[in-house]
Amino acid sequence: GQSLEQPSEVTAVEGAIVQINCTYQTSGFYGLSWYQQHDGGAPTFLSYNGLDGLEETGRFSSFLSRSDSCGYLLLQELQMKDSASYFCALSGNTPLVFGKGTRLSVIA
Amino acid sequence: DGGITQSPKYLFRKEGQNVTLSCEQNLNHDAMYWYRQDPGQGLRLIYYSQIVNDFQKGDIAEGYSVSREKKESFPLTVTSAQKNPTAFYLCASSIGTLTDTQYFGPGTRLTVL
Repeated sequence: GQSLEQPSEVTAVEGAIVQINCTYQTSGFYGLSWYQQHDGGAPTFLSYNGLDGLEETGRFSSFLSRSDSCGYLLLQELQMKDSASYFCALSGNTPLVFGKGTRLSVIA
Repeated sequence: DGGITQSPKYLFRKEGQNVTLSCEQNLNHDAMYWYRQDPGQGLRLIYYSQIVNDFQKGDIAEGYSVSREKKESFPLTVTSAQKNPTAFYLCASSIGTLTDTQYFGPGTRLTVL
């Protein structure tokens, strides 16, 4: 089967950089995605890593290391509006498998 | 504008009643999905469909049923057999394969009284 582990909560200061980790167990997969969900809202796609290395999209970056079975979401220049839940998700030959999510709180 | 719509946003039902949640997309996507989300939890897959008139069970299909008669529509019925139906239900779609990026609707919050 497939499983993912993320920290349940992270707190960071406005303007800082925060890293959210995601470790996974799978027998084979194509890549790792990240989604953002504000309270009461719909998840929205942030980033995808099909290969090892860094993918950058503005203030958000994601990194994948298959040898370590982990991925990271990096958020730079944190803003209050970044307070949300962040989910990593495995893609393979089955529908996406989501982690339980990390709730990020940005404080002044 | 293209997108996914779910209605209603809030739905209340009495215990023992079946209820159908709607999901419509005009993105011309082939694949559609239903997820359940409980407080502080991730998304758990209920059913998915990769093509019209075909659908597959997800991880928690018991007590739910779906149909896919049209490409644009993928309604979910929560039956009285579902023991804990109160939850936030999210519908999503993707262009084609299961590995494609998923686009989510706004969700329906179902409360069973």
